[in-house]
Amino acid sequence: DVKVTQSSRYLVKRTGEKVFLECVQDMDHENMFWYRQDPGLGLRLIYFSYDVKMKEKGDIPEGYSVSREKKERFSLILESASTNQTSMYLCASSFFRGSNTGELFFGEGSRLTVL
Amino acid sequence: AQRVTQPEKLLSVFKGAPVELKCNYSYSGSPELFWYVQYSRQRLQLLLRHISRESIKGFTADLNKGETSFHLKKPFAQEEDSAMYYCALTPGGSQGNLIFGKGTKLSVKP
Repeated sequence: DVKVTQSSRYLVKRTGEKVFLECVQDMDHENMFWYRQDPGLGLRLIYFSYDVKMKEKGDIPEGYSVSREKKERFSLILESASTNQTSMYLCASSFFRGSNTGELFFGEGSRLTVL
Repeated sequence: AQRVTQPEKLLSVFKGAPVELKCNYSYSGSPELFWYVQYSRQRLQLLLRHISRESIKGFTADLNKGETSFHLKKPFAQEEDSAMYYCALTPGGSQGNLIFGKGTKLSVKP
């Protein structure tokens, strides 16, 4: 079974703190994604990466950065957390299959509260 | 602009009733379309994809390019179908990133 593991299920941080959310997948997937999930807004793509050291902005990259130093690990960084970044963050990974989209496998999510 | 619209935030049906979760999309090319599901306290997971043309857990979805719709249907709802359902598309030629709708919460009452 594909396993996508997010390091923290629940975090509470203060405004202005730097926050790291870590995600590891064990299936040698090329693609990795960070989404945030908010009630009534669905899932919105923050950043994705299709290879080591490669990154692409999604729909809402402002206030976030990412790092992919190894194929299996994709980190989301909040340089200076703000209250409007309180959310559920979902990491996902998939194979790149060329013309057909690979299934996204999701982690359990990291619920971040910024006070 | 690429967009996925799920008009219903909440859909409530009784067990055994038919259910249809609506999904409309906006995309000029040929997208791939998916339904993902999230059961309570579980991960988001793929339910079905239009290119497979398969039935999963009794659910089917047909891509209607004329109406730009990909509605999810099941003839007889079960209580265990209660979950959050997301319709999603990936633009052709993309790296596989998905654009999700806002989701519909399905509640199946006994």
